[in-house]
Amino acid sequence: DVKVTQSSRYLVKRTGEKVFLECVQDMDHENMFWYRQDPGLGLRLIYFSYDVKMKEKGDIPEGYSVSREKKERFSLILESASTNQTSMYLCASRQGDWGEAFFGQGTRLTVV
Amino acid sequence: KNQVEQSPQSLIILEGKNCTLQCNYTVSPFSNLRWYKQDTGRGPVSLTIMTFSENTKSNGRYTATLDADTKQSSLHITASQLSDSASYICVVSAQSNTGKLIFGQGTTLQVKP
Repeated sequence: DVKVTQSSRYLVKRTGEKVFLECVQDMDHENMFWYRQDPGLGLRLIYFSYDVKMKEKGDIPEGYSVSREKKERFSLILESASTNQTSMYLCASRQGDWGEAFFGQGTRLTVV
Repeated sequence: KNQVEQSPQSLIILEGKNCTLQCNYTVSPFSNLRWYKQDTGRGPVSLTIMTFSENTKSNGRYTATLDADTKQSSLHITASQLSDSASYICVVSAQSNTGKLIFGQGTTLQVKP
């Protein structure tokens, strides 16, 4: 059973804190993605990575950074959390431009 | 600009009824199109994939169509069940080595008893 696992389902952080969201996949996929999902806006791409140590900005990278030191792990970092970063965060992985994208269960982050 | 648009934004139907969700896309060069189902509070799960050469594909009570000429796809749900209540997202892949996906906004379907 293929799996993308996100480290937390729910997270509450204070404004200004540094936040780490971890994502691990067990399918040996090259490509990994971080999205945020907000009501009425759909899924928006924050960052993606197509190889170890490679990263590309998505559509809304401001306030975020990422790390991919190992193929199976892709981390999203909020350098200084702000209330407008309260959202559902989804990690996904896929192989090439053909394979199905597999999503984690999501992390609902609340910044207070 | 690559875009995917879905309609309607939301839909309410009675259990047992059929419904059709629409997706229009402007993505080039086109690789494939998938419909995903997302239950509340969960990550999306793929229902079906459509390639350039395919017109229709079924997965149980779900039937997807693709018209590559008009760049339109539809998802038809037959004999709806309460468990079909979810968001349905149309996702298009462009030919690319980065695997980027272009998402529609989704259609929220509510099936009432």
